[in-house]
Amino acid sequence: DAGITQSPRHKVTETGTPVTLRCHQTENHRYMYWYRQDPGHGLRLIHYSYGVKDTDKGEVSDGYSVSRSKTEDFLLTLESATSSQTSVYFCAISRTSGSFDEQFFGPGTRLTVL
Amino acid sequence: KNEVEQSPQNLTAQEGEFITINCSYSVGISALHWLQQHPGGGIVSLFMLSSGKKKHGRLIATINIQEKHSSLHITASHPRDSAVYICALGRDGGSQGNLIFGKGTKLSVKP
Repeated sequence: DAGITQSPRHKVTETGTPVTLRCHQTENHRYMYWYRQDPGHGLRLIHYSYGVKDTDKGEVSDGYSVSRSKTEDFLLTLESATSSQTSVYFCAISRTSGSFDEQFFGPGTRLTVL
Repeated sequence: KNEVEQSPQNLTAQEGEFITINCSYSVGISALHWLQQHPGGGIVSLFMLSSGKKKHGRLIATINIQEKHSSLHITASHPRDSAVYICALGRDGGSQGNLIFGKGTKLSVKP
């Protein structure tokens, strides 16, 4: 257990509403990631952070924004949720950058946009 | 063409059988990861390797860099091994720990 929690774990919302998902870690890791997982696709990177206030876009960042004001928290915001954003969202952390480093995953948040 | 392909997509085995899951890729990598996703959704890292072979309990992972291929083997399979197994690539020159994930192999082990 790498000390990663996600909240909420489940959410149902309506199209057009804003939604914020929270990832919280107790490990003081520098790197944090948000992924989405959809049937027929592998995990896809939405945004990542390499430090407080340092974030960058991933493969599928359109319609999402992130913020990291503290080392332990990484927030993912859907400014105006759409049905195409129905997915399972995973947060992950790693101690260092680079593909050699193991990533630890949170339990996931299942989001349904009606 | 996907940069990482896993086979098979689905696999059903009887308890005790030897299982092999394959991962082929088409890009240069610095490391390859095998992950396990439990039926409840949680994802855990099993192996990270850049050459040769690694073993942990009944799990063995191998990689052939020249052939761009990796395999995950499970010996003496058990119903608790039922899960989705995911191969992920750490690319050469990839920044910030970004990984490319395969679509996963769903394994079901019957008692």
